[in-house]
Amino acid sequence: GQQLNQSPQSMFIQEGEDVSMNCTSSSIFNTWLWYKQDPGEGPVLLIALYKAGELTSNGRLTAQFGITRKDSFLNISASIPSDVGIYFCAGQLWAGSYQLTFGKGTKLSVIP
Amino acid sequence: ETGVTQSPTHLIKTRGQQVTLRCSSQSGHNTVSWYQQALGQGPQFIFQYYREEENGRGNFPPRFSGLQFPNYSSELNVNALELDDSALYLCASSSGLATGELFFGEGSRLTVL
Repeated sequence: GQQLNQSPQSMFIQEGEDVSMNCTSSSIFNTWLWYKQDPGEGPVLLIALYKAGELTSNGRLTAQFGITRKDSFLNISASIPSDVGIYFCAGQLWAGSYQLTFGKGTKLSVIP
Repeated sequence: ETGVTQSPTHLIKTRGQQVTLRCSSQSGHNTVSWYQQALGQGPQFIFQYYREEENGRGNFPPRFSGLQFPNYSSELNVNALELDDSALYLCASSSGLATGELFFGEGSRLTVL
């Protein structure tokens, strides 16, 4: 099946630093989404992107839908301790169903 | 507004047994999707239900089956459990069939011994 390559796999940053992570695919998607998962919880939607080239912000988070429709990135500015968690990218393309294809996640650790 | 709730939260089964996991969708949501999340991996799509009908299925064998009820709640059934079925099973509801904006429950952690 489709695979999303998410990088980096994990990262350790100092509180206050900016963070950048990205996601690439061999196939195109019509929608890109970014979710965050805390331990013992289900994923929570952070940002949804619907148009190639779109740049969308949600507070300190900014995400972009790549113009090739095969990639997306997520930036977090001025990180804080509660940013700790696993960030997943997900792509959606109608192909008989509206399923999401998820990456393997980027584990973010913030050092106070 | 009540979020997505799943039960049980944890369970242990032995190989060959059967399991039923339950999910109550968020108020106002008519679509339910199920995902399997193995340790250290991203969620993987099992199937989606809309108006009590299965609408799309991932790469899972027929021993994974589901139901959606008139109140939009849902069940995931797994027969003939295998060791590799050990995972976190996530239910997600949404306000429509086509949206990728899913609201996930906390999951049911299944361990198969």
